[in-house]
Amino acid sequence: NAGVTQTPKFRVLKTGQSMTLLCAQDMNHEYMYWYRQDPGMGLRLIHYSVGEGTTAKGEVPDGYNVSRLKKQNFLLGLESAAPSQTSVYFCASSYSSGTGAGEKLFFGSGTQLSVL
Amino acid sequence: GEDVEQSLFLSVREGDSSVINCTYTDSSSTYLYWYKQEPGAGLQLLTYIFSNMDMKQDQRLTVLLNKKDKHLSLRIADTQTGDSAIYFCAERRTSGTYKYIFGTGTRLKVLA
Repeated sequence: NAGVTQTPKFRVLKTGQSMTLLCAQDMNHEYMYWYRQDPGMGLRLIHYSVGEGTTAKGEVPDGYNVSRLKKQNFLLGLESAAPSQTSVYFCASSYSSGTGAGEKLFFGSGTQLSVL
Repeated sequence: GEDVEQSLFLSVREGDSSVINCTYTDSSSTYLYWYKQEPGAGLQLLTYIFSNMDMKQDQRLTVLLNKKDKHLSLRIADTQTGDSAIYFCAERRTSGTYKYIFGTGTRLKVLA
């Protein structure tokens, strides 16, 4: 059972280049999220999805786009990378239990992105 | 504001207890969580507490919730070197945009 898988694990881009980060989950979760982690700032939500074919903006969506064409995949795109997008990116997923179990997040292992 | 606040660093000796504190902002939050992040890895859920509870104990972990003061703490008893990590508290809000709000994380260093 792989859980949440992110690819790639590391990437170096030049300013202005584009790239796509892939997140895949095999737990049949409805909700998926993209976060960025920066020192001293914790995790900030970029975009999220509450189901296949739907996406929504989080706290820091500018400069990023997302797509959820299949339930198990959530893609994060950078159309024109900037040095301010140097960060560690985490994908997460969750189920919606609707009971007292809570909706805990399952995280991928992260993508270290450097933009020069 | 939206901030969930934590102190950035904590250092304890092996065998001592660690207490990591967090203050959150939204009184309507239903669940509050503690996640652990080991070096080079994603976050993993340690424990969570429902907002109508004051305390939850799970082996070496004790979570205390003071809803009046919006204060959450995580106590780790008999802290081990393997507990060295970054600990994040998070609240799940019911108002506004559906999302979790994470704290800045507390880096726990356990000294042998």
